[in-house]
Amino acid sequence: RKEVEQDPGPFNVPEGATVAFNCTYSNSASQSFFWYRQDCRKEPKLLMSVYSSGNEDGRFTAQLNRASQYISLLIRDSKLSDSATYLCVVNWDNTNAGKSTFGDGTTLTVKP
Amino acid sequence: NAGVMQNPRHLVRRRGQEARLRCSPMKGHSHVYWYRQLPEEGLKFMVYLQKENIIDESGMPKERFSAEFPKEGPSILRIQQVVRGDSAAYFCASSPGRGNSGNTIYFGEGSWLTVV
Repeated sequence: RKEVEQDPGPFNVPEGATVAFNCTYSNSASQSFFWYRQDCRKEPKLLMSVYSSGNEDGRFTAQLNRASQYISLLIRDSKLSDSATYLCVVNWDNTNAGKSTFGDGTTLTVKP
Repeated sequence: NAGVMQNPRHLVRRRGQEARLRCSPMKGHSHVYWYRQLPEEGLKFMVYLQKENIIDESGMPKERFSAEFPKEGPSILRIQQVVRGDSAAYFCASSPGRGNSGNTIYFGEGSWLTVV
């Protein structure tokens, strides 16, 4: 079993749709959680950190469920520019960000 | 540009040659990480360095790969005697290592290595 698992997709949705991705992690000691976005042949870029209480940034909402060991990302009112691969990142060592484990990503395509 | 700087952006090497990839972390960051992304695959952690120290190299292949982060200058990822399977995007990242965002990783634009 992978340490961080994501549904690879692809998710193909029309503009304006709401789409949600889940990510499960195996290490119950995990402490930090992030969502990154990666466009084709580009570097991953931080989308948002995920906090225990859940957090929202515009059209994006992230949730953490420690009991079930998953995090989620909800995108409302999808735009064409949201098309990308979304990477779930989990870290269980606050002294070492390099211990972060990246999921393989979920691909989203938003169509007109 | 205060971001993570990588060079070269694109590198072509013949089998058996050496590849050297350089990375300057974001200003104020003392922690550097190298990741590899093979075509159509996810990011894989390779090595974590601080100045003059390798902290964790558990993701580095046992042979031909080495990394350093000297007291002065950029971090270097060195691949000796490259093979076609080394063709990939190599991303460098940095983090502050402390503070509220100490664990947040910021990536450079990557170095694309093609072995012919």
